[in-house]
Amino acid sequence: KNQVEQSPQSLIILEGKNCTLQCNYTVSPFSNLRWYKQDTGRGPVSLTIMTFSENTKSNGRYTATLDADTKQSSLHITASQLSDSASYICVVSVKGGSYIPTFGRGTSLIVHP
Amino acid sequence: DSGVTQTPKHLITATGQRVTLRCSPRSGDLSVYWYQQSLDQGLQFLIQYYNGEERAKGNILERFSAQQFPDLHSELNLSSLELGDSALYFCASSVSTSYGYTFGSGTRLTVV
Repeated sequence: KNQVEQSPQSLIILEGKNCTLQCNYTVSPFSNLRWYKQDTGRGPVSLTIMTFSENTKSNGRYTATLDADTKQSSLHITASQLSDSASYICVVSVKGGSYIPTFGRGTSLIVHP
Repeated sequence: DSGVTQTPKHLITATGQRVTLRCSPRSGDLSVYWYQQSLDQGLQFLIQYYNGEERAKGNILERFSAQQFPDLHSELNLSSLELGDSALYFCASSVSTSYGYTFGSGTRLTVV
């Protein structure tokens, strides 16, 4: 069964600090992995998308890594800001006609001043 | 504004009723996806359409149905509503299945 597990479930950090969110998946055959940021009550916004051959991708203060061998990804947030408070969702898609995505439950990040 | 338009933003209805949620994809996007997000739950994939045809089905109940019209807008029909159907319903669109999705701002459905 295709699964995406994210950890931690929730995280509280102080403004200015760095943090790393984890995503482990069992999805196969792998097509791509995406990280989304979802503010409360809003639609998810794409941060990064990585295919099998990509190890690292950055988007401003967000850096995602992918280890396709161990089926792990991480999202590192540098110099956190209050506006980073949100849910961060890992999404993995399979190869195939429909590329049906599997969503993780998300990590809820709270940045305190 | 993501370019994906969902209407209405909020909907309150009674159990047993039927509602229709509407989604207009970003200009140029042929794929439309529907997701359900219950309180404190992850996003659940419901169904995907590509250029008017159903492409993939996820955990969509038989009481739910969807379609994509020739102008590429899509509608999600929810019938015989139950309290447990209360959730945020998101639509997303993409150019193709291998690209990232762009999500709309969602429709919050409350069944009372």
